[in-house]
Amino acid sequence: ETGVTQSPTHLIKTRGQQVTLRCSSQSGHNTVSWYQQALGQGPQFIFQYYREEENGRGNFPPRFSGLQFPNYSSELNVNALELDDSALYLCASSLADRGRETQYFGPGTRLLVL
Amino acid sequence: GENVEQHPSTLSVQEGDSAVIKCTYSDSASNYFPWYKQELGKGPQLIIDIRSNVGEKKDQRIAVTLNKTAKHFSLHITETQPEDSAVYFCAASKENTGRRALTFGSGTRLQVQP
Repeated sequence: ETGVTQSPTHLIKTRGQQVTLRCSSQSGHNTVSWYQQALGQGPQFIFQYYREEENGRGNFPPRFSGLQFPNYSSELNVNALELDDSALYLCASSLADRGRETQYFGPGTRLLVL
Repeated sequence: GENVEQHPSTLSVQEGDSAVIKCTYSDSASNYFPWYKQELGKGPQLIIDIRSNVGEKKDQRIAVTLNKTAKHFSLHITETQPEDSAVYFCAASKENTGRRALTFGSGTRLQVQP
């Protein structure tokens, strides 16, 4: 077990709605990254938060946003949901320390947009 | 940006045989190469990683080799067991930089036949 938890495990939304996904990182980890994994593909980087500040974003539109809190929890928010947003959303917790960083993944939230 | 290619997409071996999965990367500045195992309905689990200052790393039945010149790295699993059956992903990133996102390959589905 990685000590990284995510909620909810599954979620069904309709097109145009908004969704918030949650992640609880390992205690002491200062970095959280979010990834989208479409069926049959590798995870795609959405963005990363380091010490509560956004620290890089992948090729995702602004309707994907996030927050990182001091208590090692974080959120991914997606507005104006589209059918293509249906995927497994993964958070990864890490400690950036002396130039090294290993990312540990949670079990993911499976989102279905109808 | 970084591009990671992974082959083969599927691999079937007999129990006890060896399995080899290969990845190439495009960005010569990448210096960290983890391998993840993903079982059905679960998040990716780190199984081994290698940094660019070494050419090979081994952990029991699993080994990873890195050829920086060719921008190529491989996962070797010896004495395969049915519980090794899963999807394996390689990834690459640049540690000790502002953006430490993982770029994943497309995955290899390994089936170990009893």
